[in-house]
Amino acid sequence: QSVLTQPPSVSAAPGQKVAISCSGSSSNVESNFVSWYQQLPGTAPKVLIFENNNRPSGIPDRFSGSKSGTSATLDITGLQTGDEADYYCGAWDYSLNVYLFGSGTKVTVL
Amino acid sequence: EVQLVESGGGLVQPGGSLRLSCEVSGFTFSNSWMHWVRQAPGKGPMWVSRINGDGGSVTYADSVKGRFTVSRDNAKSTLYLQMNRLRAEDTAVYYCVSLARSIWGQGTLVTVSS
Repeated sequence: QSVLTQPPSVSAAPGQKVAISCSGSSSNVESNFVSWYQQLPGTAPKVLIFENNNRPSGIPDRFSGSKSGTSATLDITGLQTGDEADYYCGAWDYSLNVYLFGSGTKVTVL
Repeated sequence: EVQLVESGGGLVQPGGSLRLSCEVSGFTFSNSWMHWVRQAPGKGPMWVSRINGDGGSVTYADSVKGRFTVSRDNAKSTLYLQMNRLRAEDTAVYYCVSLARSIWGQGTLVTVSS
């Protein structure tokens, strides 16, 4: 079971904003970089955010990441139907010596 | 262009073995930590293993320790995952990943079933 906790689902209307939280601990989120992944059905996870708040080239600035203490947040603004997907956070845990993924959040565009 | 291309997946009986490969291009493979991540059907991703650039440091998830072995051939820019004593719960899509470069392969499906 994951030790990075995310809400199972979030939803909003097109054009609105959603925020996905990722709650961890001092040995993972607080002390290591957090990444965020988007996974569309049948495809490999795609990196949206790396090193807490950086976007790979090609990722629109509608996606942004932040971190405070043992929690991280992914914000998606200007929600689009194409944003419907599963989202996961990830971070290295120095105590367990493993890379952890969050429990996953399904985003639904109403 | 950066590419990670996995191969070697397939159907195997419980207790059997399989070796996955991941051919890397587009970045300096020999000085890069590389990882294997798997995703069981309907589940989230789970980290499996990592290996450093020269192969001298490896780490495994508890669930595969003693059964899986990660290795690399820097001359061929290829990462491997030898999987032995496979169990039904190892059924998953296996991804080759460069976490530092935020790059994932397309994955290869491993099905363990009789």
